[in-house]
Amino acid sequence: QKEVEQNSGPLSVPEGAIASLNCTYSDRGSQSFFWYRQYSGKSPELIMFIYSNGDKEDGRFTAQLNKASQYVSLLIRDSQPSDSATYLCAVPINAGNNRKLIWGLGTSLAVNP
Amino acid sequence: NAGVMQNPRHLVRRRGQEARLRCSPMKGHSHVYWYRQLPEEGLKFMVYLQKENIIDESGMPKERFSAEFPKEGPSILRIQQVVRGDSAAYFCASSPDRTETQYFGPGTRLLVL
Repeated sequence: QKEVEQNSGPLSVPEGAIASLNCTYSDRGSQSFFWYRQYSGKSPELIMFIYSNGDKEDGRFTAQLNKASQYVSLLIRDSQPSDSATYLCAVPINAGNNRKLIWGLGTSLAVNP
Repeated sequence: NAGVMQNPRHLVRRRGQEARLRCSPMKGHSHVYWYRQLPEEGLKFMVYLQKENIIDESGMPKERFSAEFPKEGPSILRIQQVVRGDSAAYFCASSPDRTETQYFGPGTRLLVL
């Protein structure tokens, strides 16, 4: 069973702090990893993706990948109340003749002013 | 550059009626994915289509649900004889050829009375 696991939360952090969101995956063959943000009542929106081990930074967001440990994380620096949302991790796996995204259930983040 | 479009945004049906949900992918995207999300739950993959082909329907219920992506026009998710348990948000996502990054539409909220 190919799986993607995330802590459901809620993760609560004060405004201005660093929020750390974690995701583990079971398929050692996975090569790319995606983070999406979903506000309540809205659709998921892509934040960033990462292919290589190490860190990838985009503004206040940093994705960290460790393929040996099958672990990908998302750090949000200087957290703002507007960052309060559910964060979804998605990992492509091979499924027959095609690839499909396997989704975690998401981590709920609350940033308190 | 228009994003993924879905209509209707909200749909109310009585038990036993049919629901038709439409999705127009982003310009240049030929891959379409349908997901269902129940309240307070994660995204559930339903079906993956390319133009005129169903690639993966492993997440589709065996009965009452069907999907198509014709050569011309939007992708259609059809639910026949709806039941209250079909009430959910249905999201469509699209991706360009040979990439895995999926971009989501705003979703259709289906309510079955």
